Amino acid sequence: GENVEQHPSTLSVQEGDSAVIKCTYSDSASNYFPWYKQELGKGPQLIIDIRSNVGEKKDQRIAVTLNKTAKHFSLHITETQPEDSAVYFCAASNNQGGKLIFGQGTELSVKP
Amino acid sequence: EAGVAQSPRYKIIEKRQSVAFWCNPISGHATLYWYQQILGQGPKLLIQFQNNGVVDDSQLPKDRFSAERLKGVDSTLKIQPAKLEDSAVYLCASSTSDSGDNEQFFGPGTRLTVL
Repeated sequence: GENVEQHPSTLSVQEGDSAVIKCTYSDSASNYFPWYKQELGKGPQLIIDIRSNVGEKKDQRIAVTLNKTAKHFSLHITETQPEDSAVYFCAASNNQGGKLIFGQGTELSVKP
Repeated sequence: EAGVAQSPRYKIIEKRQSVAFWCNPISGHATLYWYQQILGQGPKLLIQFQNNGVVDDSQLPKDRFSAERLKGVDSTLKIQPAKLEDSAVYLCASSTSDSGDNEQFFGPGTRLTVL
């Protein structure tokens, strides 16, 4: 069945450094790849998404890249700040009513 | 714009008891989702509604879980009887349509502990 693998499970960086989280997906029909941030006690919140017709998308300090051939997509956070500390989830779906399949999550810790 | 509302926020029950969760989606959102998030894992879809009809309930353990969205707005998720492995956060989300590539807006979740 559909599967999304996410790595690493935990990531600790110093404030100001960059953080990279990587995901792979199994369903070749997937064409929508959102990233969610979940803070303690809250529901996931969309931070950026990318569709299969583009290879990269950037929004201020956050960027996402997609390699459809390899079925890989990654989240890049530059100039990390303590408030970036949270659990990040990647997900994949298709626009034909396919459900979102989430990765296992990455707990990011940004140390001041 | 008000977000997705869920209640209760926390619930502790003993195994074999029953429990119900309530969700009020964002006004005008036709699609409503219930997810189960076990500690340390990503959310897993339990059931998806489009208005008051079920789109996908393939991952719902139907022998003990049920859900309804009678008027196409609010929804309830029920577990009867609960098992220890049902301990998790139950997340409700909504979106404008079920196309699969629309942003899903999540509520804060209900944390269920089964003793």
